[in-house]
Amino acid sequence: VMTQSPATLSVSPGERATLSCRASQTVSSNLAWYQQKPGQAPRLLIFGASTRATGIPAKFSGSGSGTEFTLTISSLQSEDFAVYYCQQYNTWPRTFGQGTKLEIK
Amino acid sequence: EVQLVESGGGLVQPGGSLRLSCTASGFTFSSYWMTWVRQAPGKGLEWVANMEQDGSEKYYVDSVKGRFTISRDNAKDSLYLQMNSLRAEDTAVYYCVCGANYYPYWGQGTLVTVSS
Repeated sequence: VMTQSPATLSVSPGERATLSCRASQTVSSNLAWYQQKPGQAPRLLIFGASTRATGIPAKFSGSGSGTEFTLTISSLQSEDFAVYYCQQYNTWPRTFGQGTKLEIK
Repeated sequence: EVQLVESGGGLVQPGGSLRLSCTASGFTFSSYWMTWVRQAPGKGLEWVANMEQDGSEKYYVDSVKGRFTISRDNAKDSLYLQMNSLRAEDTAVYYCVCGANYYPYWGQGTLVTVSS
């Protein structure tokens, strides 16, 4: 089970956001992060816990291993406010966290 | 450019069946695992099923085992999801996704509504 916290995070533009994801058992570094905006398919941000996907700016960074993971987004801009999901791919079936909604404060 | 186009969604009664299709282009379809992910209205993402390139390995989430079947036709660059014994809780947008582990390419999704 993947558990994300908080469910909703309110942050002001220009500030930094820190999102958490916890696994009920170790997933090693087999963790990905996605961003989803209303009416759109999710977009891959991070895989391997800390590797940015193609075209993802350096403002997005991932860290962690085992059971505790963090997605950090620096210098928030309007287009960054969205829902973020973590996903483990260490075991079958793959599982997503329930999501963190990042909203404008 | 990678493109994944789903089709086959619609309104179906509880207990009914539906077959989703996904047509891929822009990459060598036969070289990749393919996956279905769904999202109920206003809810989060749920991984549903995926299969290996030649179909020798398939995995399902417990909630659809025995009711859904994933398949593919590499000659047609197509992925399928046969959904039987549909329930209200299967109502969701179903996304076709490329990959076995993490997913850089997603389709636009097709909506399945299970209701009487």
